[in-house]
Amino acid sequence: EAGVAQSPRYKIIEKRQSVAFWCNPISGHATLYWYQQILGQGPKLLIQFQNNGVVDDSQLPKDRFSAERLKGVDSTLKIQPAKLEDSAVYLCASSLGTPNYEQYFGPGTRLTVT
Amino acid sequence: SQQGEEDPQALSIQEGENATMNCSYKTSINNLQWYRQNSGRGLVHLILIRSNEREKHSGRLRVTLDTSKKSSSLLITASRAADTASYFCATGAGSYQLTFGKGTKLSVIP
Repeated sequence: EAGVAQSPRYKIIEKRQSVAFWCNPISGHATLYWYQQILGQGPKLLIQFQNNGVVDDSQLPKDRFSAERLKGVDSTLKIQPAKLEDSAVYLCASSLGTPNYEQYFGPGTRLTVT
Repeated sequence: SQQGEEDPQALSIQEGENATMNCSYKTSINNLQWYRQNSGRGLVHLILIRSNEREKHSGRLRVTLDTSKKSSSLLITASRAADTASYFCATGAGSYQLTFGKGTKLSVIP
């Protein structure tokens, strides 16, 4: 089966610019997650969707980050305006959405803000 | 916030040796999962152990869970160079969320 797809794989922008990331989860997976992984650390959850509704966005910096999941499938994560500290890998994951199921991760987008 | 804390932060062993990594956490969990991350394949799920289980095996992997001590260990037997990666424990507690630790960086020397 096809895995979680993400694009772009790499992005370099200047601070105060905007950027968007795209994710296509595994078919049939109801739950979709966006994580931020800073170099040397573990992934940190930014937002979790169940179908097209937000379950948890408590760690999403809402003044600059936004995310949507239209029609309960694909999702986009946007940063506007970007700051230097947003440099990280942004990972998308999906799961069947019931307890005790593993998450499947995409390859990530490496963002560098200069 | 990161709940799981892996120990050691880094581990270097010879090929063929066993590698043991530990994870401690703070609050009640539904399950604990171990993931591996390397530059070639991204973050990959290895094994899931539920809170009512004490031990689980998958190939060369053995995971234990002690909920009274809020700790888990991952044992990789007969390590290979291809096992070189960062290993993360992730705790699951409600709403299907996972909270990851900072990881153990394993280097297996051929």
